[in-house]
Amino acid sequence: QSALTQPASVSGSPGQSITISCTGTSSDVGGYNFVSWYQQHPGKAPKLIIYDVSTRPSGVSDRFSGSKSGNTASLTISGLQAEDEADYYCGSYTRISTLVLFGGGTKLTVL
Amino acid sequence: QLQLQESGPGLVRPSETLSLMCTVSGGSISSGSHYWGWIRQPPGKGLEWIGSVFYSGHTNYNPSLKSRVTISIDTSKNQFSLRLSSLTAADTAVYFCARVKSVTMTLNVWGPGTMVTVSS
Repeated sequence: QSALTQPASVSGSPGQSITISCTGTSSDVGGYNFVSWYQQHPGKAPKLIIYDVSTRPSGVSDRFSGSKSGNTASLTISGLQAEDEADYYCGSYTRISTLVLFGGGTKLTVL
Repeated sequence: QLQLQESGPGLVRPSETLSLMCTVSGGSISSGSHYWGWIRQPPGKGLEWIGSVFYSGHTNYNPSLKSRVTISIDTSKNQFSLRLSSLTAADTAVYFCARVKSVTMTLNVWGPGTMVTVSS
């Protein structure tokens, strides 16, 4: 079963907005509103920042937002800050065997 | 506040079996609304789902690893474990345990991870 598709890297300047896409199929991203996003700084564990497509856990900045259209989910980070530089992974429920699929990850560079 | 902590050997030999434990504190592992999962991340690469276990003992595994993986749970000790057999260098990775919200399969609490190197 293939991983979800994310761009390998994105970049932006402080204060700008960026969007990371996550493309799957109708068996996962497109079929259910169970997409999540994780932020991972070097040497650290991933941290949940968005779940159920667009819900932020308590304590996560409202600069992070999520959406979905068809088989593609998106994470938008507005007002970029240096601390946002990290790897970002999408995850989704899948109805096919494994139950969980991850994207390949996107490295965000804040210029 | 719920916390998870992985423990186990940092170095294992090829062809041997890896055994890792995840200890849950600050909450009960017998929650009927969560699975307990294992994820790994090879150096410089992305996340890979290994599988999960429910408090009842029901498991699900990544098909690519299913023949070599066993995940079990001990509710009396608030722990769950991973066994991965027939190790090769390709199994070298950071191994994470996590709490997984059932139905949505959202990984909402993660352990810090433990590095496992497969080498002779």
